[in-house]
Amino acid sequence: AQTVTQSQPEMSVQEAETVTLSCTYDTSENNYYLFWYKQPPSRQMILVIRQEAYKQQNATENRFSVNFQKAAKSFSLKISDSQLGDTAMYFCAFMRAQKLVFGQGTRLTINP
Amino acid sequence: GAGVSQSPSNKVTEKGKDVELRCDPISGHTALYWYRQSLGQGLEFLIYFQGNSAPDKSGLPSDRFSAERTGGSVSTLTIQRTQQEDSAVYLCASSFASGRTPDTQYFGPGTRLTVL
Repeated sequence: AQTVTQSQPEMSVQEAETVTLSCTYDTSENNYYLFWYKQPPSRQMILVIRQEAYKQQNATENRFSVNFQKAAKSFSLKISDSQLGDTAMYFCAFMRAQKLVFGQGTRLTINP
Repeated sequence: GAGVSQSPSNKVTEKGKDVELRCDPISGHTALYWYRQSLGQGLEFLIYFQGNSAPDKSGLPSDRFSAERTGGSVSTLTIQRTQQEDSAVYLCASSFASGRTPDTQYFGPGTRLTVL
């Protein structure tokens, strides 16, 4: 079974700082997909970034980038120049057979 | 275009009553998913519909839970004889899943269910 672990329940940084959220997963598969979702207080889950395991290049989306280490089964999210609007719960997720398996989440607070 | 919508936004019910939660997926999306988010269990997969195929019900926690998808679009999640442990946020997602390549799932705002 696939498991996803986020070891940081909460994090807090100052606006404009860079923050990295950790995620590790366990799988015996070789081809799979990984995601980071953001859930603000509005409850809506919003896709932040996606990574295909067969791609060696780390995915980037504007201020968001990942450090994908396949051998270590690590998938961390880096947020650069953090903004107040980045305050939210962040979930790492593994996709297998079209179903998402989520980590427990990291509550990120950006302070002014 | 319009995103995934869910109704009601909030539902309060008494233990033992039945509830129905509705999901309207993004137009054209062939796959629809239900997840449950609770304090104790985190985010859990419940059920998955793909086109006209039989749904994947492997995540449903008990036979009190059922779901259907009519006309390949709107879905209803039904919980019979609700229990307090059913209290959670029920999230619906949809994707344009080809069946070969996993596609990104887009989520609705969820329904918060409270069972008294």
